[in-house]
Parts: sequence; structure tokens; C-alpha cells
Amino acid sequence: LAKTTQPISMDSYEGQEVNITCSHNNIATNDYITWYQQFPSQGPRFIIQGYKTKVTNEVASLFIPADRKSSTLSLPRVSLSDTAVYYCLVGETGGFKTIFGAGTRLFVKA
Amino acid sequence: DSGVTQTPKHLITATGQRVTLRCSPRSGDLSVYWYQQSLDQGLQFLIQYYNGEERAKGNILERFSAQQFPDLHSELNLSSLELGDSALYFCASSEWGQAYEQYFGPGTRLTVT
Repeated sequence: LAKTTQPISMDSYEGQEVNITCSHNNIATNDYITWYQQFPSQGPRFIIQGYKTKVTNEVASLFIPADRKSSTLSLPRVSLSDTAVYYCLVGETGGFKTIFGAGTRLFVKA
Repeated sequence: DSGVTQTPKHLITATGQRVTLRCSPRSGDLSVYWYQQSLDQGLQFLIQYYNGEERAKGNILERFSAQQFPDLHSELNLSSLELGDSALYFCASSEWGQAYEQYFGPGTRLTVT
């Protein structure tokens, strides 16, 4: 399982774009990159998953450079309700153990 | 609503007791995962089942056990409870081959007094 490193916390203001970067230097060929969002006292929620280049859905975009040693979750125009912990996970989609690191605590201010 | 259900929502019990937490996965999902989340430990992977068989173990104590039944629901049994077992316990499910696209239940908050 590739180890991931994310900032412990980030602050932003409403309406801004937020980019959270995750480092995964020892990512393997078959590994995918997945991001989750977790609100206090709730289970994590799957946000987005990608393998390379760029993936976009209605919630976020995921940018993955060619070397795949890092990835960036981009949240456009955040609101107060985006205040949460964001986790980056790396591993094979057919894998079993899913290890959540400490995540990044995003605090959105008015 | 993720489609994953967990019961009970809250559980308060005393040290030394035994409890059972129940999880029903999303319709069609064969894989079930259990996690423990306490304030000082973050989200810890405990165990995973696929179609009734144990597939992976994480930081699960010997006092804890789990199983997945033929109807695919799963139970997590916690015995000889200690104060430190107080935590949120989450169940998640996924399709086969999509281990990283998991859908989490609302959790069971266990308080051991």
C-alpha cells in the first residue's frame, strides 16, 4: 500500500477554489487514487477516483501529473458546508485493506 | 443516504460486557468493511469480508470478531469491553473490484462506561 502525505489542515473562504495536494511517491502501477470527505460523526463519503490526468465530476476535480507521485483535489467555489476532513487513499481497486491516513482538515470561513 | 444501514445508532454499556453491531450493505455489494474511529486514533480499518469470507484484517483486537452471513449482512462482535473501546464504528460496502469506492453507513456510537 502506497503511503500518502497530505497537509494536516487548510483554511479557505467561501467562494474560493481549494486545492488539496496529496503526495504518494511510491505509488504502484496498478494503484488508483481516491478521495473521501468526512463530516463530524458521519461516515466518509466517496468523492472522486482517478488513475492519471484529470477527472471531473459534479463535486470536484482530480488532477494527476504524468509521474503520478502526487495528486490534487480541487474543490471549486467552496461553501461553509465544505468544512470537513478530506482523505487521500492510494491502492489497487481490487485490493482489500483500505488505510485512511490523518486526512486534511479544511475549514471554510465566511 | 449511502444505502448502508447500521444498528443500533447508539450503544451504552459497561466494561466487561459484550455487544454486537449490525450492518446491512448496499444492495448488490458483496464486500463489507468495518472501521473504528476514535478521537485519538482516526479511522482504523478492522476487517473486510467478501461474500461471507474474511479477506483482510487490519488492527482488529482478539476480543473483536466479525462475520458476514449468507444474506450478506455483517455483524461485529466486541467482547470484554474496555473504556478505550468507546468509539464510532462504521461499516462500509463496495462492489467487487472497487475496494476504494466504498459506501459508508451512519455508524454506531459505542460508549463504554
